[in-house]
Amino acid sequence: DIQLTQSPSSLSASVGDRVTITCRAAQTINTYLNWYQQIPGKAPNLLIYAASNLQRGVPSRFSGSGSGTEFTLTISSLQPEDFGTYFCQQSYTTTWTFGHGTRVEVK
Amino acid sequence: QVQLQQWGAGLLKPSETLSLTCAVSDGVFSGYYWSWIRQFPGKGLEWIGEIDHGGRTNYKSSLESRVTISVDTSKRQFSLRLNSVTAADTAVYYCARTATTGGFYRGDSWGQGTLVTVSS
Repeated sequence: DIQLTQSPSSLSASVGDRVTITCRAAQTINTYLNWYQQIPGKAPNLLIYAASNLQRGVPSRFSGSGSGTEFTLTISSLQPEDFGTYFCQQSYTTTWTFGHGTRVEVK
Repeated sequence: QVQLQQWGAGLLKPSETLSLTCAVSDGVFSGYYWSWIRQFPGKGLEWIGEIDHGGRTNYKSSLESRVTISVDTSKRQFSLRLNSVTAADTAVYYCARTATTGGFYRGDSWGQGTLVTVSS
C-alpha cells in the first residue's frame, strides 16, 4: 500500500490567515490525490480531487496543487468554519490509502 | 442531490459477522462505484472495498478473506459483511459513492457513519 505522510499534524491559525498543508507520497501517484475536510462527528467531505480540481460547492478559498509525490492544500483566507481535520487520499492504486490527517484549529 | 443512509448492528461479540447496508436516494446509481471505508478510534481511515452496479468488486487485500460487498440495484442499496470480527475491527464504518470521471476516483458523497464496537 502507498504511504501518505501529512505535515503538519496540527496547526492553529487566525481567521484570514493563509494555511498550507502538505501531503507526501512514498512513490509517485501522478495527480491521483484527493483532499477531504472532516468536522468532528461527521463524515469526510471532499474538497479537491485529482490534485487541483475544486469539488462542486466547495468555496474557492480552497485550492490544491502538486503532482508525483508532493502535494499541497491551501486555504487562502481561513474562515471559522474551516476547523476540523484534513486528510489526503490517493487513488493511484485500487486500494486507497489516506494520510493521518492535519488538525486545524481556528483561533 | 444524492444522499446515503446506512444502518446495521453497532455492537458485536468477537467471531460474529458485521453487517451494514447503505441506501442511495436520488441520482444515478449506475456509473459509480460504491465503497466502504472505516475510521479507527485513533482517527485513521482505511478503505475496505468497492462494488459497481454490475456487481464487480475490489477489496483491500488484507481483508479479502473476510469481506463481502454486495449490491441490490432494484433497491438502490449496497451492503458490507465482515466475518469473524475482533476488537481490531472496532471503528466507524462509512459507505460512500465513488465518482470515477476521468479515471480519478474519489468519495464525493458519504453516509453518516455507523459506530461498530466489537467487545465480549
